[in-house]
Amino acid sequence: AQSVTQLDSHVSVSEGTPVLLRCNYSSSYSPSLFWYVQHPNKGLQLLLKYTSAATLVKGINGFEAEFKKSETSFHLTKPSAHMSDAAEYFCVVSGRTYKYIFGTGTRLKVLA
Amino acid sequence: SQTIHQWPATLVQPVGSPLSLECTVEGTSNPNLYWYRQAAGRGLQLLFYSVGIGQISSEVPQNLSASRPQDRQFILSSKKLLLSDSGFYLCAWSEGGPGELFFGEGSRLTVL
Repeated sequence: AQSVTQLDSHVSVSEGTPVLLRCNYSSSYSPSLFWYVQHPNKGLQLLLKYTSAATLVKGINGFEAEFKKSETSFHLTKPSAHMSDAAEYFCVVSGRTYKYIFGTGTRLKVLA
Repeated sequence: SQTIHQWPATLVQPVGSPLSLECTVEGTSNPNLYWYRQAAGRGLQLLFYSVGIGQISSEVPQNLSASRPQDRQFILSSKKLLLSDSGFYLCAWSEGGPGELFFGEGSRLTVL
């Protein structure tokens, strides 16, 4: 079985400071991992994905995530937050079963 | 290029009435298709997925059913809606792999 846990339901950062959104996964086999973003009243957009290649994955808008098998983590980071980063972020795990399992989401608030 | 269409965008239905939400994908063949429900603070809950015509996998026992009458058409139905069926429903597709999951714009269902 696969599952994903997003450790923080809400994160607040000041503009220009680093962002860290935490995600832990559970999978019986080598997972594929994704981060999606959903801005208010918008659809879901892929930020980045890990599919067993490089463990440090770079995505759009300056975001990146590192796959750490020993810690079963796939945390999302950005060096400097921008006001436009305010949104809800979802960590997703998938694998051989074709299912995509979403975390409960982390709402990021960026303070001016 | 591939596109996904989902309708209706908004629906208000009385308790006990039937439901039909439709989703079609264009520009690809034999996609994997998904229905999710999004509730505040609970992320996206996988309801059904399909890897081929007539092949439906149900993830959560509930008052809903899904059908795939054509390769690129996915329908979410109910014979009698409950209040608890209210929510935001999202259709999605992928090419497998697992690759990126592409979402429709969603259908907001209110059951009164």
